[in-house]
Parts: sequence; C-alpha cells; structure tokens
Amino acid sequence: DAGVTQSPTHLIKTRGQQVTLRCSPISGHKSVSWYQQVLGQGPQFIFQYYEKEERGRGNFPDRFSARQFPNYSSELNVNALLLGDSALYLCASSLTGPYGYTFGSGTRLTVV
Amino acid sequence: GQQVMQIPQYQHVQEGEDFTTYCNSSTTLSNIQWYKQRPGGHPVFLIQLVKSGEVKKQKRLTFQFGEAKKNSSLHITATQTTDVGTYFCAGTSGTYKYIFGTGTRLKVLA
Repeated sequence: DAGVTQSPTHLIKTRGQQVTLRCSPISGHKSVSWYQQVLGQGPQFIFQYYEKEERGRGNFPDRFSARQFPNYSSELNVNALLLGDSALYLCASSLTGPYGYTFGSGTRLTVV
Repeated sequence: GQQVMQIPQYQHVQEGEDFTTYCNSSTTLSNIQWYKQRPGGHPVFLIQLVKSGEVKKQKRLTFQFGEAKKNSSLHITATQTTDVGTYFCAGTSGTYKYIFGTGTRLKVLA
C-alpha cells in the first residue's frame, strides 16, 4: 500500500510569490493534517481537514489556506511568501482511533 | 495557549546505556502520542497513551502517561545505534489539534 505522498519534494520560491503543496493520504484515511517544521524544532499544526471540512486551524496567518477534495487529497496554499515560511511542510493522514498520524516525506520549501 | 515542553533537548549516550525523555504539558491532555524522526526524515508514529497512569511497552521502549495526564515519558533500555533520532511527544486536549513537543535529540555513540 502506498503511504502518504506529497509533491513536490523540494521547492524554491521568491518572496511575495504563492505556492501550492499537494498531499494524497493513505487509502481509506479521511483526515488530513498539515504541519510546518522549521529546522531544529517540532512540527507546528497548521490545519486539519476531515471529510472536506476544516476541523482545526493553528496560529498561522490568513496567508495560509487549505482544502480537501472529494477523494480526500489536500492542498496547502501559501500566499505572499516570506523568508520565514522556509520550512519542511508535512502532511499527515489518520484513521479515527489510537493509530496516530502517518506522515508523508514532506515538501522542503525554501523562500529566497 | 497550550505548550508542550520536552527535556532534555539533547542526549548523547554510549551504546548499551539507557535513555529517558520527559514531556510536560501546560494543560491536561486527553491523550498523548510519541513519534520518532530520523535525521532527514519525517516523524514516525510509535504509540498513543490515553489512560491516566498508563504504561505501555514496545520491546526496549517503555512509555508512561502521568496520573494527572499532563506529563509523559519514554524510556529506552540498552540503546542501540538504530535508536538515533529525535523523539517527539504530541498531545491534544480533546480538540483535533495535536501540539508537538520541542523534541529530544538522541545520539548513540558506538
């Protein structure tokens, strides 16, 4: 079975640009969460979606938005990129219950 | 807001020595999860604890959830070089948002 897949794996953008990151959850997983991980720190919660509805949002500015599609895949959009947005963006899917998140390998975003 | 701290931040041990990382939340948690992240990798789920005072074991790893459900620990017996990585706890207060701890980076010297 395929795990959580994220694309692209690496991305370099210029300040002020917009970026879209994509995530496909494990088949059967209806919940997708997005996390930002700055080097040397723990993952920071951005969004969680379940059945195409936003369930939770972390302390991130409105420049960050996301959506979930009918096939449960998800996109994370970041507008007006800042240097501080440079990080590893992790997508995770999960089942309900004591199963934890399954993370994808992430998208490494560098803003220059 | 909810904060989750871990100590120590770094730990270097000789192979065969034991290792413990501690996780402390500013709020009572409904459950707590533990993850391991290898250098250059992504977090991998290890276990979830739900009950007050719960203890779970996975081979050389022992996980505990505090009686007050505000702290947790992970203990590794007889570390091996394959244990190298950063260990994160992640807790939730009942919302859908898991707050990750600051992590403990473990280095095992052969």
